Amino acid sequence: QLQLHESGPGLVKPSETLSLTCTVSGGSISSSSYYWGWIRQPPGKGLEWIGNFFYTGSTFYNPSLKSRVTISVDTSKSQFSLKLSSVTAADTAVYYCATLYSGTYAFFYWGQGTLVTVSS
Amino acid sequence: SYVLTQPPSVSVAPGQTARITCGGNNIGSKSVHWYQKKPGQAPVLVVYDDSDRPSGIPERFSGSISENTATLTISRVEAGDEADYYCQVWDSNSDWVFGGGTKLTVL
Repeated sequence: QLQLHESGPGLVKPSETLSLTCTVSGGSISSSSYYWGWIRQPPGKGLEWIGNFFYTGSTFYNPSLKSRVTISVDTSKSQFSLKLSSVTAADTAVYYCATLYSGTYAFFYWGQGTLVTVSS
Repeated sequence: SYVLTQPPSVSVAPGQTARITCGGNNIGSKSVHWYQKKPGQAPVLVVYDDSDRPSGIPERFSGSISENTATLTISRVEAGDEADYYCQVWDSNSDWVFGGGTKLTVL
C-alpha cells in the first residue's frame, strides 16, 4: 500500500515561496497507475485542491492558484514537490499530498499533512 | 467554475441513519467521491465513483446519486463517525472540486 509523507518548513515569510516535498513509499512514483496531488485546508475551512501531476509530465492546477503553483517530480528520490510563490497569510494551511489511481478521480491515499504558517 | 453545495451540519442519534447531501449542476453525470475528515487526521476516502467503497471501509457507508444530488448514507451511526464529510468531483472546466464540507454530529 502506498504511503506518503510531507516535509518542509513550517513557517514561511510573506511574499516568499512555500516549498514542500512528498516522499512516496510502497509504490513507484513513475508508475502510469497514479496521479500525484496536493490539497490544503486552511484553519477552520474546507479542503481546497491545489494541483496534480501525472507521470507523463502533465500538470493540472487550481485556476485560482495557477499563476503561483508548480508541482514537479524527482523520480530518483521517489518524491514530488509543491512550490507556491508570493505567499500571504491566506496561504496558511495544513498541506496534504495525495494519490489518485489513473482512471478514477478520487484521492485514495493521503499523507498525514503538514502545517505551514505564513508570518513575518 | 463548478460548485458543490453541502449542508453545513447534520445531527443524528447513535444507531440511526445519517444522510449527507452534495448538490451540483447535473452532478448525476459525474463521479462523486466522499471523504471523512477528523480533526488532526488526514482525510479518508469512504466512497468513490458514487457508490463504491475502498477496502476497509465498513458497509455502513454507502453512496447514491440522482440528477442533481449525491448522497452519502451512514447507517447505524456510531460515535466514531463524528467528523467532517466532503464530497468531491472532477469537472472538465474546474478540474478537481471539493464541496464545502458537512459536520456530522452524533448526539
